[in-house]
Amino acid sequence: ETGVTQTPRHLVMGMTNKKSLKCEQHLGHNAMYWYKQSAKKPLELMFVYSLEERVENNSVPSRFSPECPNSSHLFLHLHTLQPEDSALYLCASSPFGGGAMDTQYFGPGTRLTVL
Amino acid sequence: EDQVTQSPEALRLQEGESSSLNCSYTVSGLRGLFWYRQDPGKGPEFLFTLYSAGEEKEKERLKATLTKKESFLHITAPKPEDSATYLCAPGNQGGKLIFGQGTELSVKP
Repeated sequence: ETGVTQTPRHLVMGMTNKKSLKCEQHLGHNAMYWYKQSAKKPLELMFVYSLEERVENNSVPSRFSPECPNSSHLFLHLHTLQPEDSALYLCASSPFGGGAMDTQYFGPGTRLTVL
Repeated sequence: EDQVTQSPEALRLQEGESSSLNCSYTVSGLRGLFWYRQDPGKGPEFLFTLYSAGEEKEKERLKATLTKKESFLHITAPKPEDSATYLCAPGNQGGKLIFGQGTELSVKP
């Protein structure tokens, strides 16, 4: 595997389900990000981790819970979601993070549908 | 407040018909402007970073330029494989990327 990978690529869940999205980066980067991309809207930054510490939480509802066990892996735990949470969820990584303006590299995304 | 506007929202070109995409921005303490390409159902793919007004970068049929308030992505003699959504993202002083809504480019043979 190379670059940034995300699993699953597609997920359909009910409003009462609990599921998790997984991201793995094979680039040796220190920072990882979760973004939400809704139809016809700009990418919205959700969470930022730098060296496994959460450094940014952009007023995201508590039904989204991130976890970063090490600098290569990032999870997004989902529970009791709403239909408006249906979107493409993108993971990205960058070499430094921590306020440095370095290039972010994106994974292919998880297409989430909440019924 | 940081703002980014990309125009046009959609652009249809014939193969070989050159054009430009615009990205207008108001960002506190610009720390670089990033261009990405996104194909349907995929994640954004990094193209360029520009750091200062007057800077230009080229890659195949694409050339990106930067002024103090705008960036342009010029596409010369496009091919159908250039069809994608192009995203502009200035970086602000806090190290965040502020994404525009994108320009959806379609190149017909």
